[in-house]
Amino acid sequence: DTGVSQDPRHKITKRGQNVTFRCDPISEHNRLYWYRQTLGQGPEFLTYFQNEAQLEKSRLLSDRFSAERPKGSFSTLEIQRTEQGDSAMYLCASSLGSGVQPQHFGDGTRLSIL
Amino acid sequence: DAKTTQPNSMESNEEEPVHLPCNHSTISGTDYIHWYRQLPSQGPEYVIHGLTSNVNNRMASLAIAEDRKSSTLILHRATLRDAAVYYCILRGAYAGNMLTFGGGTRLMVKP
Repeated sequence: DTGVSQDPRHKITKRGQNVTFRCDPISEHNRLYWYRQTLGQGPEFLTYFQNEAQLEKSRLLSDRFSAERPKGSFSTLEIQRTEQGDSAMYLCASSLGSGVQPQHFGDGTRLSIL
Repeated sequence: DAKTTQPNSMESNEEEPVHLPCNHSTISGTDYIHWYRQLPSQGPEYVIHGLTSNVNNRMASLAIAEDRKSSTLILHRATLRDAAVYYCILRGAYAGNMLTFGGGTRLMVKP
């Protein structure tokens, strides 16, 4: 059973640089979610895809953030012109079907902005 | 979204049962009660969910009050590996599909 995979696990970058994270969901899962988690807080929803369609975006997802899921498989989350406040753990999750099916999370990408 | 209230932290002894409470007095009729946990340096992990009846799986049991305004996650024999933050989340069957996490309960297990 290959779970949700995220790459890289850690990313350190200077303020103002662009970064891109990748998420590979469980292969048959049609829904994919991105969350952000800062220290001591629970994860916060950013956006989700059903297949290749991005169906919902949180107001946390500023114009500097963009997510894609070409062909409905892996997804990328890009942050342009990073700021100190972007430092967080970025979590990806996937689920099968709709409604109340459990979401399966990866172990996240920890982003540190210098 | 309906809100949940959990204690910030709880302690348990290893191999003893643990009862983690959650209050959700504004729950609606179509809200499912989900529990996830997050071990240190890992993503959240699904534990269990239910609607009205009590539920059991290999990880835990979920006891839901008759009025559904509260629920309790039961770990039958805590192990050191169960030390984690436990999140109680309400999720509507027909609403947006995201999970709305609160602060959760940090469970500490003493050997």
